[in-house]
Amino acid sequence: QVQLVESGGGVVQPGRSRRLSCAVSGFTLSSYAMHWVRQAPGKGLEWVAVISYDGNDKYYADSVKGRFTISRDNYKNTLYLEMNSLRTEDTAVYYCARVRGLSGSPFGASDIWGQGTKVTVSS
Amino acid sequence: DIQMTQSPSSLSASVGDRVTITCRASQGISNYLAWFQQKPGKVPKLLIYAASTLQSGVPFRFSGSGSGTDFTLTISSLQPEDVATYYCQKYNSVPITFGQGTRLEIK
Repeated sequence: QVQLVESGGGVVQPGRSRRLSCAVSGFTLSSYAMHWVRQAPGKGLEWVAVISYDGNDKYYADSVKGRFTISRDNYKNTLYLEMNSLRTEDTAVYYCARVRGLSGSPFGASDIWGQGTKVTVSS
Repeated sequence: DIQMTQSPSSLSASVGDRVTITCRASQGISNYLAWFQQKPGKVPKLLIYAASTLQSGVPFRFSGSGSGTDFTLTISSLQPEDVATYYCQKYNSVPITFGQGTRLEIK
């Protein structure tokens, strides 16, 4: 069964850091690019970052560039999002999502999504 | 950056109606467009990719069309379980961008 399970969310103070994890099962992580997408309360979907199958290519939304880092450990079947200098506007549910297709390219639609982990940035 | 504009932002229709949602890109994106359905409190679900390819398991009443800058998601016969917010997404280049969403309700 193909599954993505995010963890690491919670309440964090502005300016602090948090690392999110996305554990995958049911498929070979090393064959797929992966996204992080977030959704602020009552708002639409916002793409955050994408990483190629081998980790060599990483791209970020302007809103998080320089503060967030996407990474992966294909041996541990886990995707990460390191979030630094958090702001109140980073409050959202964070989803990891698989890019469909075995090319490993970052440029594809997301066919499998995790259930999300909620991050609240508040003092 | 390429902007994605969806219309309408909300829509109310009757069961059995044909429903159309449009998405316009500010620049050409070929067919690098996906449509997602997000039911209240649920995870987004991929409906259509490559503008017109139906994702496995998605009912055939959903269809997508378009290329370049103008795209359409059509539900041929609206069902009660189709109540959701629908998003388009362009993925040909970064930044990857979603439309603002279309909330679909049953009249």
